[in-house]
Amino acid sequence: GAGVSQSPSNKVTEKGKDVELRCDPISGHTALYWYRQSLGQGLEFLIYFQGNSAPDKSGLPSDRFSAERTGGSVSTLTIQRTQQEDSAVYLCASSLLTDRAYGYTFGSGTRLTVV
Amino acid sequence: GNSVTQMEGPVTLSEEAFLTINCTYTATGYPSLFWYVQYPGEGLQLLLKATKADDKGSNKGFEATYRKETTSFHLEKGSVQVSDSAVYFCALRSSGAGSYQLTFGKGTKLSVIP
Repeated sequence: GAGVSQSPSNKVTEKGKDVELRCDPISGHTALYWYRQSLGQGLEFLIYFQGNSAPDKSGLPSDRFSAERTGGSVSTLTIQRTQQEDSAVYLCASSLLTDRAYGYTFGSGTRLTVV
Repeated sequence: GNSVTQMEGPVTLSEEAFLTINCTYTATGYPSLFWYVQYPGEGLQLLLKATKADDKGSNKGFEATYRKETTSFHLEKGSVQVSDSAVYFCALRSSGAGSYQLTFGKGTKLSVIP
C-alpha cells in the first residue's frame, strides 16, 4: 500500500483481556518495527523484524507481549492479560533498508486504553 | 548506549516567531540524525535528516545541521506558522550493532498562536 496501515485505530479493553494489534507495512519494505508511545515516556522500542531473520525482541516489556510477522508482510502484536500500564499508543513502522541513512515510515498508531 | 536529549516543552510561540528546538545526542561512531514531527491525531512523519557531520537537513522551512563537535542537531525555523503546531522528536540511528533501531528524544510540543 501507499503507507503503513494499522488497525484498529482505537481499542478500549478491560483489564485482563487479550488484544491484537495489526500492522500492514509498505509493500516491499523488509524491515518492520513496533514502538510504544506512552505519555511522558517518549517512544520505546519493542520489537524488530527483518526478512526471514529471527526478530529482535529485546524491547518487549514482559512475556505478556509477543509479535509475529507472517510471510514477511503483515505483523500482529499481541498483549495478553492486559494491564492498565499497557495503555499507550502502539506505533508500527517499516523501512526499505536497514542502512542507517534511512528513517522509518510510521503508521498512525493504535491507541490502546485498558480500563 | 545511545541517547537523545531534547529541550522540554511545551514551547509556545507567536506566528512568525523564530523557532529553535535543541537536541543533543550520545552515540558511538557516526550516527544518522533525524527530526520527526507528529501532528495532532497522526503518526510520526520524517521531517528531515542528516547522515554525516556538517550536513544540513531541510524541509518545509525547517533546518538542522549535524554538529559532531557539539554532538547537536538543533531544529530551526525562521518564521513559524499555526500549522507548525505539533510534537517534534529528535532521533538517531547508530552505525554500530543494533543500527536498525531509532533512538528518540522525549519530544517537544510546539504551539503556535495567531
